[in-house]
Amino acid sequence: KAGVTQTPRYLIKTRGQQVTLSCSPISGHRSVSWYQQTPGQGLQFLFEYFSETQRNKGNFPGRFSGRQFSNSRSEMNVSTLELGDSALYLCASSSAGFSGNTIYFGEGSWLTVV
Amino acid sequence: AQKVTQAQTEISVVEKEDVTLDCVYETRDTTYYLFWYKQPPSGELVFLIRRNSFDEQNEISGRYSWNFQKSTSSFNFTITASQVVDSAVYFCALTNTGANSKLTFGKGITLSVRP
Repeated sequence: KAGVTQTPRYLIKTRGQQVTLSCSPISGHRSVSWYQQTPGQGLQFLFEYFSETQRNKGNFPGRFSGRQFSNSRSEMNVSTLELGDSALYLCASSSAGFSGNTIYFGEGSWLTVV
Repeated sequence: AQKVTQAQTEISVVEKEDVTLDCVYETRDTTYYLFWYKQPPSGELVFLIRRNSFDEQNEISGRYSWNFQKSTSSFNFTITASQVVDSAVYFCALTNTGANSKLTFGKGITLSVRP
């Protein structure tokens, strides 16, 4: 079956703009989580959604937000972009969340802020 | 709080050598899950293994093997007879259970396998 699909794969934005990234989980999976990967901070948890509800959130400013739709697809939005937001953003899906489930990742969206 | 430490940052070996990637974790939970992922240059995190805290059996999958020891809070990964295609960044990760669970990653180990 199809894996986790993230779009777009690459994008360049200017400081102050906003960006929306999309994630389609594996069919049947209801949990979607997002991670930011940077060379300095490594992989950091952003948030997790399950059945359209945010269940957990990492330590990121309010400029980072997300949502999940009834078909489990998820979007994350970053407003007022800063240079430090340049990163690989990874989406993960699992059938029911982190407890005892295998967590599969997409290829990520490479965001460059100039 | 939970923490994953991958003390090795970069490892370079010659093809066909065996290599072990170390992972040490910290958690106060009695039920937790450990993962290993491989990240090639393309960026995708490729799932390798999941182990729960109650299963200390070692696992072997082809050239890959994992050694889980709760006594030392370690979950080490060995690649036997390494190949150039094994070159990647490898991440160890930990998740607890419950409402505020999340996946916590180590810093990753860059493995270079030279022909």
